[in-house]
Amino acid sequence: EVQLVESGGGLVQPGGSLRLSCAASGFSFSYAWMSWVRQAPGKELEWVGRIKSKTEGETTDYAAPAQGRFTISRDDSKDTLYLHMNSLKSEDTAVYYCTTDSSYWGQGTLVTVSS
Amino acid sequence: DVVMTQSPLSLPVTLGQPASISCRSTQSLLYSDGKTYLNWFQQRPGQSPRRLISKVSKRDSGVPDRFSGSGSGTEFTLTISRVEAEDVGVYYCMQGTHWPPTFGGGTKVEIK
Repeated sequence: EVQLVESGGGLVQPGGSLRLSCAASGFSFSYAWMSWVRQAPGKELEWVGRIKSKTEGETTDYAAPAQGRFTISRDDSKDTLYLHMNSLKSEDTAVYYCTTDSSYWGQGTLVTVSS
Repeated sequence: DVVMTQSPLSLPVTLGQPASISCRSTQSLLYSDGKTYLNWFQQRPGQSPRRLISKVSKRDSGVPDRFSGSGSGTEFTLTISRVEAEDVGVYYCMQGTHWPPTFGGGTKVEIK
C-alpha cells in the first residue's frame, strides 16, 4: 500500500525558515517524480514544485511563488522527500501535501506563518 | 500560467440525479505526445485530494463508474451519473500539460 506521510509543519514567524519532510513507502520511491502542492485555508490547490528521479538528474522545477525561496530535495536511501522553505511570508500559510504523479497524496502538514 | 476556470462554483444536487462540472483552460491541453493531461480530483471535507480521472477520461483504480470525464482542447466536463451522499465535497480540475500544473478554483457539490 502506498503511503506518504508529511511532517515538520508548525508556526513560524515571517522571514523564518522551515523544513518539511515526506516519508514514502509502498512504491519504488527512487524512480518516482515527487511534488509538493499546497492549499491555503479555504482556497484552491496550488502546485509548489517537483523533483525528478535521480536517473533524470534530480532536476527541480518551481512555481513562481516558490522560486528562489523554496528548495525541494530527496534522500532515496531514506525514501524521503523534503521541502526547505526560507523567507516565509504570511501568504505561505497553507496545508502542504506531497504527491507522486498526483495519483497518491499524503495527509498534509499545516504551516502557519504569523508573528 | 494556464488558468483553469470551473463552473458552477456551487452545485446543489438531489440524490440519484446527475451532475456535471465544466472546466475551461486558457490554452489547449493537448501535449506534443498526443495526450491531454487533464485530471479531476475530489476533496471530501477534511481530507486530502483524491484523483478520480486522469488524461480527460481514464478513471483511477477504485473510482466508481458513475464518474466520467470528457472533453478536448480547452473544454472539459466531469459527470456524475447518479449522485450519492458520499460524493459531497469539492471537485477540482487540474492541467498537467504546461508547467506549472494549475488547478481550477473548485466546485462544491452538496446535497439539496
